[in-house]
Amino acid sequence: AQSVTQLGSHVSVSEGALVLLRCNYSSSVPPYLFWYVQYPNQGLQLLLKYTSAATLVKGINGFEAEFKKSETSFHLTKPSAHMSDAAEYFCAVSMEYGNKLVFGAGTILRVKS
Amino acid sequence: NAGVTQTPKFRVLKTGQSMTLLCAQDMNHEYMYWYRQDPGMGLRLIHYSVGEGTTAKGEVPDGYNVSRLKKQNFLLGLESAAPSQTSVYFCASSQDHGQSNYGYTFGSGTRLTVV
Repeated sequence: AQSVTQLGSHVSVSEGALVLLRCNYSSSVPPYLFWYVQYPNQGLQLLLKYTSAATLVKGINGFEAEFKKSETSFHLTKPSAHMSDAAEYFCAVSMEYGNKLVFGAGTILRVKS
Repeated sequence: NAGVTQTPKFRVLKTGQSMTLLCAQDMNHEYMYWYRQDPGMGLRLIHYSVGEGTTAKGEVPDGYNVSRLKKQNFLLGLESAAPSQTSVYFCASSQDHGQSNYGYTFGSGTRLTVV
């Protein structure tokens, strides 16, 4: 069965610091990979999606993620955190076309002033 | 704006009562999903549908029923609510199972409390 693991249920960074949210998946073939963001009292919004065109994917609000096949990872980064980035972030994976997305447990990002 | 609309946004039920949550999408998506979100447990799939007239069980289907009589609507029913069903419920839709460019589109959620 496909699975996705997000390391760290809570991450705290200072404003202006690097944001790194970790996501690992279990698969022997390149999957479909996504990052979603959920702001308080809202639904999930798509941040970015991995396609086979490029291993580094740029998303909205300055976020990007790098697909590393050898590490089966798809970590989310942002060079400089902003207070408005405080939210919960979900990694999701579908191992092949036709399979539903499986969501990680989520990582709550806190940004300190 | 196009998207997924969930009604109601909030509801308090007494144990044993029934209710129906409505999800409507105007993007002509084939696939629709119901999730529940609980602290520390991420999103768990309750039921889903791959087209009008079809439904299938997800990860946590017990205590819930669904119907997809029209392509644009996906209803989630609780026949006899229990406190364990206190949660935030999200509906989502997609062109396929999310492999298209836009992944899943989510509604804003329904916060249900069962007392």
